Amino acid sequence: DTGVSQDPRHKITKRGQNVTFRCDPISEHNRLYWYRQTLGQGPEFLTYFQNEAQLEKSRLLSDRFSAERPKGSFSTLEIQRTEQGDSAMYLCASSWGTSGRLVEQFFGPGTRLTVL
Amino acid sequence: AQRVTQPEKLLSVFKGAPVELKCNYSYSGSPELFWYVQYSRQRLQLLLRHISRESIKGFTADLNKGETSFHLKKPFAQEEDSAMYYCALKGGSYIPTFGRGTSLIVHP
Repeated sequence: DTGVSQDPRHKITKRGQNVTFRCDPISEHNRLYWYRQTLGQGPEFLTYFQNEAQLEKSRLLSDRFSAERPKGSFSTLEIQRTEQGDSAMYLCASSWGTSGRLVEQFFGPGTRLTVL
Repeated sequence: AQRVTQPEKLLSVFKGAPVELKCNYSYSGSPELFWYVQYSRQRLQLLLRHISRESIKGFTADLNKGETSFHLKKPFAQEEDSAMYYCALKGGSYIPTFGRGTSLIVHP
């Protein structure tokens, strides 16, 4: 296990197409996060899973975005009907925790999405 | 609502000079604060957190609740410290809020 992995690393798509990204967290981690990062900004929270349950979702996330973590292991993030404003780096992070305290998050390399 | 402000987009210093990357936060409760670092072509990684009160790679950060700040400091900057630095705050939920980041450039 070499850490959090994301696939693909780069995705170029045309406006209106659907895209799906995959995140494989560190195997023993029960928490998984998705973030979006645009140029000149820090990571912006999208959604959070604890095991297979999606516990929090950003109010900024439109209905075109959906995420799953079906067996509490890998996760997918789908964007339907992509728009040029969706162009960004999509980051996944994982951690282990059982309390409310935030423990160290381990980030993946990200998927860079470009919508033409 | 919670907010993190990193007022400097870019901080440029010479090797051996002291460094202070500023982070101010807004949160009404007791926050957990973190500094993350991203070196060129590497992924984002945790540098330090306030509850650990540790020094990592010569960096320290003290939580000042009166000034609502968590500035990152290093007495003598090294060229390998050049990177993007993000301050992050966790409030009442599991979700951290990140600042926009400060790019630190250390010149030889």
